[in-house]
Amino acid sequence: EAGVTQFPSHSVIEKGQTVTLRCDPISGHDNLYWYRRVMGKEIKFLLHFVKESKQDESGMPNNRFLAERTGGTYSTLKVQPAELEDSGVYFCASSPLGDPKDPYGYTFGSGTRLTVV
Amino acid sequence: SQQGEEDPQALSIQEGENATMNCSYKTSINNLQWYRQNSGRGLVHLILIRSNEREKHSGRLRVTLDTSKKSSSLLITASRAADTASYFCATYRGGSYIPTFGRGTSLIVHP
Repeated sequence: EAGVTQFPSHSVIEKGQTVTLRCDPISGHDNLYWYRRVMGKEIKFLLHFVKESKQDESGMPNNRFLAERTGGTYSTLKVQPAELEDSGVYFCASSPLGDPKDPYGYTFGSGTRLTVV
Repeated sequence: SQQGEEDPQALSIQEGENATMNCSYKTSINNLQWYRQNSGRGLVHLILIRSNEREKHSGRLRVTLDTSKKSSSLLITASRAADTASYFCATYRGGSYIPTFGRGTSLIVHP
């Protein structure tokens, strides 16, 4: 079974540019989550999709960040325009719909390391 | 708001030694989980301990939970170089089942 796939694995962009990160969840997983880890800080929750709907986007830092999941399959996270403080590792995770008390269904991707210079 | 807070932030030991990491959290929990992240890889779930449990074992891992102190510890016995990674504790956000992570402990095991 393929895992959660994220690309690119690394991205270096200049301040002011636009970057789009992509996450392909495990096939059949309706839940998809985005997290971010800024260097030396906690892994912070950004948002949660259930299929194509945004269930919780309380962690999105500001309106420069736009997440989509058209068709309920893969998701994209666009940062426009990028700022220096957006640098970090962006993780995606997916889990199946089912018993929400089962934490073992979570699978994380390898992350995208974004560097804004 | 941040839930789990791990310490130390960094730990460097020799192969064969034990490694202990601690996690403190702020609000009541139903369970607490520990994850590992190897460099360049995603987070991997290691172990879950429920609020009514005090200790749990899985292979070389031992997790304790003290709900009165709102703290947990992860002990890795007989460490190996392959244990080099960042370790995070996670609790759940409010009434949901979305894990909330801390800053992690960076463990380096020297061969």
